[in-house]
Amino acid sequence: DAKTTQPPSMDCAEGRAANLPCNHSTISGNEYVYWYRQIHSQGPQYIIHGLKNNETNEMASLIITEDRKSSTLILPHATLRDTAVYYCIVRVAGSNTGKLIFGQGTTLQVKP
Amino acid sequence: NAGVTQTPKFQVLKTGQSMTLQCAQDMNHEYMSWYRQDPGMGLRLIHYSVGAGITDQGEVPNGYNVSRSTTEDFPLRLLSAAPSQTSVYFCASSLSLAGGQDTQYFGPGTRLTVL
Repeated sequence: DAKTTQPPSMDCAEGRAANLPCNHSTISGNEYVYWYRQIHSQGPQYIIHGLKNNETNEMASLIITEDRKSSTLILPHATLRDTAVYYCIVRVAGSNTGKLIFGQGTTLQVKP
Repeated sequence: NAGVTQTPKFQVLKTGQSMTLQCAQDMNHEYMSWYRQDPGMGLRLIHYSVGAGITDQGEVPNGYNVSRSTTEDFPLRLLSAAPSQTSVYFCASSLSLAGGQDTQYFGPGTRLTVL
């Protein structure tokens, strides 16, 4: 699975969009980009994933660059409850073990 | 759906004691797994199962046993607890490991302390 690089921390004002970047320059053609978050003391929560097209769901949008070497998770209207550690994970769909490799992630602090 | 449930939420054991961490899901998911999370270490895969009757080891299986007699349940057993097993344990499940069906959903965790 490709390695990912994320900034260790970011701040965002409540009600504004939060844009969380992720670099995955060694991604291969059959690897997906997944985003999870972990709110303090809770289990990781799935947010969104994509292969090469931009994706949107009720929680967030995922923008993947054309060369697929980086992506951005967008929380359109951040709330205080979005304060969490956000993990960008790159993995092959249908892996043999299903193992998810959580790196250090980005700690997003949403401020009033 | 209740999703993925784990019991207990908290547990304190003495060294050498045994216990079972329970994990259940009501989504008819074939794939289930156990992770542990330690400060500064991220989540590490302990064991996983791709269906009833099928289990396999992850990256840190020593000291843990699993079985999968039903699709719904995937218990994790500590046979002789050690302080090194103090951690937060998460169970996860997905419909399968096939592409498009492998999004994993996590339970709330069990916080285990071994004295």
